[in-house]
Amino acid sequence: NAGVTQTPKFQVLKTGQSMTLQCAQDMNHNSMYWYRQDPGMGLRLIYYSASEGTTDKGEVPNGYNVSRLNKREFSLRLESAAPSQTSVYFCASSEGLANYGYTFGSGTRLTVV
Amino acid sequence: AQTVTQSQPEMSVQEAETVTLSCTYDTSESNYYLFWYKQPPSRQMILVIRQEAYKQQNATENRFSVNFQKAAKSFSLKISDSQLGDTAMYFCAFTERGGGADGLTFGKGTHLIIQP
Repeated sequence: NAGVTQTPKFQVLKTGQSMTLQCAQDMNHNSMYWYRQDPGMGLRLIYYSASEGTTDKGEVPNGYNVSRLNKREFSLRLESAAPSQTSVYFCASSEGLANYGYTFGSGTRLTVV
Repeated sequence: AQTVTQSQPEMSVQEAETVTLSCTYDTSESNYYLFWYKQPPSRQMILVIRQEAYKQQNATENRFSVNFQKAAKSFSLKISDSQLGDTAMYFCAFTERGGGADGLTFGKGTHLIIQP
């Protein structure tokens, strides 16, 4: 089925470890986004990519890096995980501007111990 | 920066009742888009309804409808004949028309519980 695929779905890391969350969409969308969801905080934008070859910081970028590998793929990297990065991470995409909303991936639950 | 406020962290109603979730937003723009997303326990984010600010008519999708009050910057979601499957987190979201390159701004959510 067409959509946004995130991997992995669950991950446990030790403090200081690194990992990359993968995201791919097959809808030929231009824009892609990474959000984190924490209880009582809603969804907060980490980074976004308005088009292939561009990335920009969102509301909470500290401790993260991103790569827009090609039009389909947008990865999120934690270089040195911290307990404060324990969260649910969502990747999303939109055709261009977000006027029609997003298509979301199914999320990654990350726990840093 | 735009802000979206959902003032009800949690609501609980009986099955078949009608429930209204509140959302207010702050913007200086005249053209923008508003959304309600549903997140059931499965964690998947599902678009429920979308409203274009320049349209006077309130959007509806089956049992879901909105009350859009542009002057008051209010965008509430009404769920009629509520069902057990409506139990979920509901998020209100906003983006400017033509300026949405940085995507949607979300409220903190309302946890809706439908009691049998």
